[in-house]
Amino acid sequence: DADVTQTPRNRITKTGKRIMLECSQTKGHDRMYWYRQDPGLGLRLIYYSFDVKDINKGEISDGYSVSRQAQAKFSLSLESAIPNQTALYFCATGQTGRTGELFFGEGSRLTVL
Amino acid sequence: QQQVKQSPQSLIVQKGGISIINCAYENTAFDYFPWYQQFPGKGPALLIAIRPDVSEKKEGRFTISFNKSAKQFSLHIMDSQPGDSATYFCAASPRGAQKLVFGQGTRLTINP
Repeated sequence: DADVTQTPRNRITKTGKRIMLECSQTKGHDRMYWYRQDPGLGLRLIYYSFDVKDINKGEISDGYSVSRQAQAKFSLSLESAIPNQTALYFCATGQTGRTGELFFGEGSRLTVL
Repeated sequence: QQQVKQSPQSLIVQKGGISIINCAYENTAFDYFPWYQQFPGKGPALLIAIRPDVSEKKEGRFTISFNKSAKQFSLHIMDSQPGDSATYFCAASPRGAQKLVFGQGTRLTINP
């Protein structure tokens, strides 16, 4: 079983719909992140959380919200999806006090029509 | 603005050759510089990382060269193999923050 699990892996939706991407981890890490990958732009940070009560905006948070339901669960929501949110989304985890290494899930591909 | 600039966007190398990918950064608060490798359908995974107190780090066929004064770092893959074909991302993190800023990515193809 994967240490960082993302659901769904693929989703096609329509403009204006609400979408939730979920992430769960079994690594016991305290830090969780959501990144977005677009060709030619690399990975850009949307939101991150250093513990259950801590939520921080990344460089491209507009149009997104997150919820840290437990140490192991971090979900990303698009309240009203738009076509330019079509991308590959990655959840990642890290541990305070360790090296800067992040551990990524396998990604959720979202298409907004 | 892109805080970490990566080049080239794509690279084709013959088997056995040396692959070189370059990155440049502006923020002097960065103090951790990893490279991630991503295969199709998978998430990025840490390949090798360096801190600015050393100029080079080698792990097997992979080497990071770091030039603090020029604010540049590069990944060298020696004896490149077809299994090295993947997308490579450089990244940087501010001191104590564990918040990675990624470059644009390089799609590397090793021809047999």
